[in-house]
Amino acid sequence: AQTVTQSQPEMSVQEAETVTLSCTYDTSESDYYLFWYKQPPSRQMILVIRQEAYKQQNATENRFSVNFQKAAKSFSLKISDSQLGDAAMYFCALEGGSEKLVFGKGTKLTVNP
Amino acid sequence: DTGVSQNPRHKITKRGQNVTFRCDPISEHNRLYWYRQTLGQGPEFLTYFQNEAQLEKSRLLSDRFSAERPKGSFSTLEIQRTEQGDSAMYLCASSLISADTQYFGPGTRLTVL
Repeated sequence: AQTVTQSQPEMSVQEAETVTLSCTYDTSESDYYLFWYKQPPSRQMILVIRQEAYKQQNATENRFSVNFQKAAKSFSLKISDSQLGDAAMYFCALEGGSEKLVFGKGTKLTVNP
Repeated sequence: DTGVSQNPRHKITKRGQNVTFRCDPISEHNRLYWYRQTLGQGPEFLTYFQNEAQLEKSRLLSDRFSAERPKGSFSTLEIQRTEQGDSAMYLCASSLISADTQYFGPGTRLTVL
């Protein structure tokens, strides 16, 4: 079975500072994809960033970057220069050959002005 | 491209009633997924379609749940004889066959009284 674990139920960050959200996963697949999705309050889930497991280079998307440690099965998300609009639930997800996404329980990020 | 749309956005029903939700995927996307999200949890996979074929159903999907995608475009999810435990957000997502990024709709929030 594939699993995704987010060990931080809540995190907070000051505006303009940097925050890192943690995610670990487990899969027996050699080819898989990892995702971070953002779900603002009462709004739809939006893709933040994705990482192909076969790529060694960490994905980046503007202020968002990941630290992908394949051997450790770790996939953390770093948000730089945090903005008030970054406040949301963040979900880590894995797609490992089964066509479906397996999600963690999420981390609620609060951005303080 | 207007993204994935879902209707209704909210549904309140009494226990024992039947409900039906609709999902319209991004127009060129061949794959369509249904997930269920309860409060404080990440989404859980229910079922998915490739074109009009339903290729996988989760064990979470009891016999009271049925999903269709008759012409390979929009999809419906029906819940018969609703129970209070069915109260949740029902999310639809779509993707291209050759891609692995799923794009989500805003969801239908079901409340069973």
